Parts: sequence; C-alpha cells; structure tokens
Amino acid sequence: GAGVSQSPRYKVAKRGQDVALRCDPISGHVSLFWYQQALGQGPEFLTYFQNEAQLDKSGLPSDRFFAERPEGSVSTLKIQRTQQEDSAVYLCASSLARTYEQYFGPGTRLTVT
Amino acid sequence: AQKVTQAQTEISVVEKEDVTLDCVYETRDTTYYLFWYKQPPSGELVFLIRRNSFDEQNEISGRYSWNFQKSTSSFNFTITASQVVDSAVYFCALSHYSGGSNYKLTFGKGTLLTVNP
Repeated sequence: GAGVSQSPRYKVAKRGQDVALRCDPISGHVSLFWYQQALGQGPEFLTYFQNEAQLDKSGLPSDRFFAERPEGSVSTLKIQRTQQEDSAVYLCASSLARTYEQYFGPGTRLTVT
Repeated sequence: AQKVTQAQTEISVVEKEDVTLDCVYETRDTTYYLFWYKQPPSGELVFLIRRNSFDEQNEISGRYSWNFQKSTSSFNFTITASQVVDSAVYFCALSHYSGGSNYKLTFGKGTLLTVNP
C-alpha cells in the first residue's frame, strides 16, 4: 500500500511568511508524529497525535508552530512568521499503534530566506 | 533524561568489508523500544528493526545483524559483506513513554556510512 506522503517536498519562504506543511499518513494508522531535522542532525520530536487528539506538543519550539489533525487522518503543520532558524527538514511519521515502528514520509525541506 | 549516543560520526569501508555501527542509550524506563533507521541520500528514513527492552535475543536479517546488550545499554548494528548500496546515514533511536499515550522517538546524531567500490 501507499506510504506516508508529504507536500510540498520543498518550500522556500521569505522571513515573516506563514507556511503550511501537509502530511498524509498510512491509512489506518492511529498515531502521527512530526519531527524536525536540522542539517547533519537526527530528527527531533515536535508533536504527537492519536487520532484527532494532539496529546503531546512539548517539542514545538515556539508558539509560532501549530499542528492539527482535525479528522484523524491528514495533518498540517503550520509555521507563522517564519524565521531563518526554522530552516530544516520537517518529517512526518505514522504508526499503527503507539509502540509500533514509525514509518516516515520523505519530508518537506523548508528554507527561509 | 533519554539519550542516544552514536559515537561514530563517519565510517568509510571498502565493499565486502564487515562494519559495525555503535549505539549506546540512556533511559530510566524499564520498558522501552530501540530502533535502527537508514536514511539514504534521497532523505527518506527507512525502518530497519525494532527491539523491546525485554527481548535481548540477537537478530539476523540477511546481511544485517543486531546485538542488544542491556548490561552495557548498547544496541549495535553490523553489516556483513557491505555493498555500495549500504551507503547512507544510519540512526539509532529510543522510544519511551512520555505521557499522554505518546511513545516518541529520541534519535542519535547518526553515523554516515560510505561504502567504496
């Protein structure tokens, strides 16, 4: 079946612009995670959804970051008033249940100029 | 605090050599899960293996094998007879309960493996 998909794959934003990154998880996967990966680093946790409920947003770096999953399927990560330090690859992952392996999408590379 | 250390930043080998990637973790949890992921140049993280803290049996899958030793908090990954297609960044990760039904992953910084022909 289809894996996790993310769009857009690449996004260039001018400082101060708002961006929205989309994630389509594997069908039937209850758990959905967002991670941020800086160049040369491992991914770092941002937020977690179980179905439509956002149960953990402890990794969101500031109140400019907002995520939603209104119908328990597609999720959107929104970044308001982007800053240069927001430049990174944003990865979405889904899993069948909370302790199962997470399957990652290809990521969205965000560059803020 | 949860932590994963991959001390090897880069490893370069010649094709057909065996190579071991080290992973050391820290956790206070008694129940946790360990993972290895591969990130080829295309960028997508590919799941390789999951291990729970109660299962210390080593595992072999083709040319890949994993050695989990709870006594030393290590979960090392060996590739036998490496091939050029094995070239990638490999991440070790620890999944632990962090409240609210969340088992988020804590990743190491990764090891860049280059296999030369």
